[in-house]
Amino acid sequence: NAGVTQTPKFRVLKTGQSMTLLCAQDMNHEYMYWYRQDPGMGLRLIHYSVGEGTTAKGEVPDGYNVSRLKKQNFLLGLESAAPSQTSVYFCASSYSLRTSGRGSSWETQYFGPGTRLLVL
Amino acid sequence: GQSLEQPSEVTAVEGAIVQINCTYQTSGFYGLSWYQQHDGGAPTFLSYNALDGLEETGRFSSFLSRSDSYGYLLLQELQMKDSASYFCAVSRYNQGGKLIFGQGTELSVKP
Repeated sequence: NAGVTQTPKFRVLKTGQSMTLLCAQDMNHEYMYWYRQDPGMGLRLIHYSVGEGTTAKGEVPDGYNVSRLKKQNFLLGLESAAPSQTSVYFCASSYSLRTSGRGSSWETQYFGPGTRLLVL
Repeated sequence: GQSLEQPSEVTAVEGAIVQINCTYQTSGFYGLSWYQQHDGGAPTFLSYNALDGLEETGRFSSFLSRSDSYGYLLLQELQMKDSASYFCAVSRYNQGGKLIFGQGTELSVKP
């Protein structure tokens, strides 16, 4: 199993350009997530999805859109890139149901290798 | 609002024990998770606590005190490969899918 994969690994954009980041998982997970990580910072949730065809906003959703047309894929779009969107983007996935009363479920997230995006 | 605080850096020697603390302020707290990240790579899940007490997984243990809004990650028999960033993250009731991460603690293990 490949786990969580992300495409591309690295990209340079000019201000105003658009692009789509692709995330794929082969673990049959219901939940998928997009995070960004800036230097010296933790992971901040951009958008997430609790199932095929559903998406929801996270902490920092402005300037991004997402789609989850298939269970295994979660796309992150930047319609008009800005220098403030220079970051490392991580995709993650998880199960939804708790294995036991107070055991973890979606708290156990499996991350992809990241996409490094530079916006000039 | 909500906040998590953890030390930015910790240094320890190989073979020692180190504790990384995490204090949180959040409404509707459900559980505390810990993740490890090497050199900016993919974060990996280490541990999760929803109940007070200690959870042990090999050399790593995690502790939670809900009354003190505090938890820690304990790493024993430190190895050089444990040099990494460690993040605590909180989950909340009725916020399925949302983890709020701390800013991370960079652990340096010296020979």
